[in-house]
Amino acid sequence: GAGVSQSPSNKVTEKGKDVELRCDPISGHTALYWYRQSLGQGLEFLIYFQGNSAPDKSGLPSDRFSAERTGGSVSTLTIQRTQQEDSAVYLCASSFLTGLNSPLHFGNGTRLTVT
Amino acid sequence: DQQVKQNSPSLSVQEGRISILNCDYTNSMFDYFLWYKKYPAEGPTFLISISSIKDKNEDGRFTVFLNKSAKHLSLHIVPSQPGDSAVYFCAAAGGPSSIRNQAGTALIFGKGTTLSVSS
Repeated sequence: GAGVSQSPSNKVTEKGKDVELRCDPISGHTALYWYRQSLGQGLEFLIYFQGNSAPDKSGLPSDRFSAERTGGSVSTLTIQRTQQEDSAVYLCASSFLTGLNSPLHFGNGTRLTVT
Repeated sequence: DQQVKQNSPSLSVQEGRISILNCDYTNSMFDYFLWYKKYPAEGPTFLISISSIKDKNEDGRFTVFLNKSAKHLSLHIVPSQPGDSAVYFCAAAGGPSSIRNQAGTALIFGKGTTLSVSS
C-alpha cells in the first residue's frame, strides 16, 4: 500500500515568508510525528499527534512553528516568517499505535531552503 | 539537553567484520528502544527494537543489547556488508503507561552514527 507522502519534496522560500508543509500519513495510522534534520544534525523532534489526545508540542523551536492534524489524517506544518536557520529536511512519520510493535513509517521529507 | 545520545558520529568497518553502534539515554521513563537506518534522500526505515523487559533481541545479522542499569544500548551487525553503509539512528520512548500523558512520550532520536563498510 501507499506509504507516508510529503509535499512538496523541495521548497525554496525567501526569508520572512510563510510556508506550509503537508503530510499524508498511512491510512489508519493514529500517531503522526514531525521531525526535522538540519545539515549535519540528527532527527529533531518537533510535534506528535496521537489519536484524540492533545498534541505534544514540546519540540517546536519557536512560536513561528505550528501544526495541525485535520480529521485525524492529513497534517500541515506551518512556519511563519521563515528564517535561514529554518532550512532543513522536514520529515513526517506515522504509526498505527504507539509502542514497541508499531514502528514509525517515514516519508521522504520536504527539503526547505530559506534564502 | 539530549535525552538520547550517540557519541560516535561515524564508524568505519571492513566487510565481514562486526559493527557495533552505541547509544546512551538519560530519561528513565523510556521503556522501549528502536534502531532506524537512513540512506541519503530517503526517510529513516525501522530496523530492530527492544523492550525494557529484555536485554537482547536478535534479527538475522542484527542484534540489539540493552543495559538498563547503565542506560545504554548497542546495535551489533555481523557480518557487516557494504550495503549496510548508512546513518543509524537510535530512538527511545515511553509506552502508553507512562505518567507523562496517556499516549506515551514522543519517540526521541539520537543524532545518528554514519556507518561505512568497505569491501
